[in-house]
Amino acid sequence: GAVVSQHPSRVICKSGTSVKIECRSLDFQATTMFWYRQFPKQSLMLMATSNEGSKATYEQGVEKDKFLINHASLTLSTLTVTSAHPEDSSFYICSAMEGDSIYGYTFGSGTRLTVV
Amino acid sequence: ILNVEQSPQSLHVQEGDSTNFTCSFPSSNFYALHWYRWETAKSPEALFVMTLNGDEKKKGRISATLNTKEGYSYLYIKGSQPEDSATYLCAFAGGYQKVTFGTGTKLQVIP
Repeated sequence: GAVVSQHPSRVICKSGTSVKIECRSLDFQATTMFWYRQFPKQSLMLMATSNEGSKATYEQGVEKDKFLINHASLTLSTLTVTSAHPEDSSFYICSAMEGDSIYGYTFGSGTRLTVV
Repeated sequence: ILNVEQSPQSLHVQEGDSTNFTCSFPSSNFYALHWYRWETAKSPEALFVMTLNGDEKKKGRISATLNTKEGYSYLYIKGSQPEDSATYLCAFAGGYQKVTFGTGTKLQVIP
C-alpha cells in the first residue's frame, strides 16, 4: 500500500531557530500534500494544502511567512517553521493524496516539535 | 469553521464486548466521510471512505454506516479485542481537498 515517510519524528529546537520537516511519498506520486497541526486534546487542524510546483494554499489564521511550505517534487513536501517560538510547539503531521481522487489520503507518522 | 463532532470522547470496554461511536458532520456540501484508526506512535490508518447516503462498509469486525441527510456516521466494532485500542478519527470532506477532522474517540479495550 501507499506509504508516506515523515522526518524527523521528534525535534527540540531553541527559540528563534528554524526547523524543517519533510514528508515523502515513497511508492506513489503525490500531487497534493496536506499539513496538519494538533494541539493537545484537540483535533487535527488543516494548516495548508500544497500542490506540486505551485504555491501552497494556507488556511485562515495560518501565517504564511511563519510556516513555509515547499512542494518541489511529486514525492516531497517540506514544512519549515521559521523563527520558532514555544507556542509553535505542537504535533505536525502530513498526508498525501495520489492524483485527484478523494479516496487516497495516506498519513505520515507525525513530528513532535518542542521549542525551548 | 465546520463542526465535526465525535462522541464519546473516550470509552473503555471489556474484551469481547461490542461497541459503537458516532461522528456528526454538516448535512450540506457533503463530498465524503473518512474513518481512520490512529494508534499511538503510528500513522493514522484509513479504515473506510464513504460517499453515498446509506453506505455500509465492513472490514473484519469493524463496520460503518452513513447518513448524509441527517449528518452522522456510526462506527461499530464487534467483539472488541485489545488490539482495537486506538483513537478513531472521522474526517468530513465538504468539497475537493477540504477535509475537517473530528476530535476522535479514544477506545481502550480491557483484557
